[in-house]
Amino acid sequence: KNQVEQSPQSLIILEGKNCTLQCNYTVSPFSNLRWYKQDTGRGPVSLTIMTFSENTKSNGRYTATLDADTKQSSLHITASQLSDSASYICVVILYGNNRLAFGKGNQVVVIP
Amino acid sequence: ETGVTQTPRHLVMGMTNKKSLKCEQHLGHNAMYWYKQSAKKPLELMFVYSLEERVENNSVPSRFSPECPNSSHLFLHLHTLQPEDSALYLCASSQHGTGVTGELFFGEGSRLTVL
Repeated sequence: KNQVEQSPQSLIILEGKNCTLQCNYTVSPFSNLRWYKQDTGRGPVSLTIMTFSENTKSNGRYTATLDADTKQSSLHITASQLSDSASYICVVILYGNNRLAFGKGNQVVVIP
Repeated sequence: ETGVTQTPRHLVMGMTNKKSLKCEQHLGHNAMYWYKQSAKKPLELMFVYSLEERVENNSVPSRFSPECPNSSHLFLHLHTLQPEDSALYLCASSQHGTGVTGELFFGEGSRLTVL
């Protein structure tokens, strides 16, 4: 079983609407949690990095939240745009050995 | 532009061919990585080089052979690959401090198809 589970696997939303992506992890202890955006045919690009003591972090229309007690993170996209169509990958960095545990990604498609 | 450049972007090869993937980073980082990305799977770490020394090899088959001649360049040499090796191969770099994994900067990837 993967240590980082993301849901939903895929999502279709109308342009201008909001959406929330979920990331549940089992790795412990962790150093920090990251969200990456990967456009089709491109490499992942970092959106947010949160340490275990941070609850929320924003990057433009993207807002990530973290609940270290329940081991859950979410990525909220506000007023979606066509360019938000991508895969969003949750990554948890383990404390100590600094290994990275990747989720499979949330595939988001924004339609006009 | 992330500062990490990969070539070629697309590669089709037969199972008996020998080819190489190239990665170059212009960020002054001291660590470089090769990842494999297959459909509907999480990214899989293949190799890590820190200060030009290989520090991790995640039990990757010997048909994949990495080379890191300096801190800015990383190669992945391929030979006698299998069709299941078809995937997107991503190179990344980071600034690795003592006990800290810095932010990863990824290249655009090399899409490999093995016939």
